[in-house]
Amino acid sequence: KAGVTQTPRYLIKTRGQQVTLSCSPISGHRSVSWYQQTPGQGLQFLFEYFSETQRNKGNFPGRFSGRQFSNSRSEMNVSTLELGDSALYLCASSLGPEVPEAFFGQGTRLTVV
Amino acid sequence: KNQVEQSPQSLIILEGKNCTLQCNYTVSPFSNLRWYKQDTGRGPVSLTIMTFSENTKSNGRYTATLDADTKQSSLHITASQLSDSASYICVVSPNTNAGKSTFGDGTTLTVKP
Repeated sequence: KAGVTQTPRYLIKTRGQQVTLSCSPISGHRSVSWYQQTPGQGLQFLFEYFSETQRNKGNFPGRFSGRQFSNSRSEMNVSTLELGDSALYLCASSLGPEVPEAFFGQGTRLTVV
Repeated sequence: KNQVEQSPQSLIILEGKNCTLQCNYTVSPFSNLRWYKQDTGRGPVSLTIMTFSENTKSNGRYTATLDADTKQSSLHITASQLSDSASYICVVSPNTNAGKSTFGDGTTLTVKP
């Protein structure tokens, strides 16, 4: 059974650019959550999607957005990149929002220069 | 304010020794507490999930305990191995809503030969 797949694994972008990250959940999982992880802040919740609807959103600026497709795959977009956006972005999937066990992907390492 | 505090921040032990990591939380109402292991540059992997009614749960050499009255949890690692070197993250949820989960900053464990 394939795990959560995140692409790309590594990304280098310039300040002001925008970026799109992709997450394919485990087959059958319909809930996808996104997190930002930095050395100084730990894991910070970005947003959660279920059945193509955003259920929750963390305390991030509007430059951070996401969506979920009918096949449960999800994308997150960051516009007008800032140096502080450099982080490991993690995606987690679960069977549904009522199921606490979540499986994480390997993450996308974004570096903004 | 919901908080999860983990201690120690970092720990170095010799291979074969046991260790215990602590997690104290103020999250309320409580739904579940999860321990994750995160290798450097990788996504977190679930070790245990405990609900209010559970006070002990094991996963191989990992044993988690929960005292819902004192709002404390511990993760005990037995007969440590070099591969146990990782960050261990405690996550507490007041309900099954992923957006409400509170993450600890993690304990970095280093196992030396």
